Amino acid sequence: DAKTTQPTSMDCAEGRAANLPCNHSTISGNEYVYWYRQIHSQGPQYIIHGLKNNETNEMASLIITEDRKSSTLILPHATLRDTAVYYCIVRGSSNTGKLIFGQGTTLQVKP
Amino acid sequence: GAGVSQSPSNKVTEKGKDVELRCDPISGHTALYWYRQRLGQGLEFLIYFQGNSAPDKSGLPSDRFSAERTGESVSTLTIQRTQQEDSAVYLCASRHGSGDEQFFGPGTRLTVL
Repeated sequence: DAKTTQPTSMDCAEGRAANLPCNHSTISGNEYVYWYRQIHSQGPQYIIHGLKNNETNEMASLIITEDRKSSTLILPHATLRDTAVYYCIVRGSSNTGKLIFGQGTTLQVKP
Repeated sequence: GAGVSQSPSNKVTEKGKDVELRCDPISGHTALYWYRQRLGQGLEFLIYFQGNSAPDKSGLPSDRFSAERTGESVSTLTIQRTQQEDSAVYLCASRHGSGDEQFFGPGTRLTVL
């Protein structure tokens, strides 16, 4: 499974866009990029995933570079409730779907 | 609808004792995963069940760890002869067979004294 690299922590002002980067330079052609987040003392929550096209849903947007070596998760209008650890995961090519979590980025949204 | 539930929410045990953790997946979800999360760390995959197929046990850290699942229902994770390094939050997730999203339970916090 491809390894991901994320900044340890980031701050964002409430109401502004939060842009969370992720590097996955060894990603292979059939591997997807997944984003989950974990709010304190809760289980992780799925946000979004993509292969090579940009994706958008009600929670966030995912921008994947053309070479697929990096991606950015965008929370368009961050709120205090978006404070969490955000995990960028490259899903293994097997069909088990098991997720390999790194350390993630701790996003602190400040008023 | 009901999400993934886990019990107990907290478990304190003494070193050397056996513990059993329970996971109730979302009804109809054929895939079930167990993960472990040590304090301040990311999640570590432990084991995966898919229907009646042989489970993927590649993440179990030692033979003290085992898990069972009957059909597509409840799963139990058993840790025998617990050690202090087993202290962690144990998370269960389930996924619909054709889906991409894993739904996580709230976890069981295990403390081994």
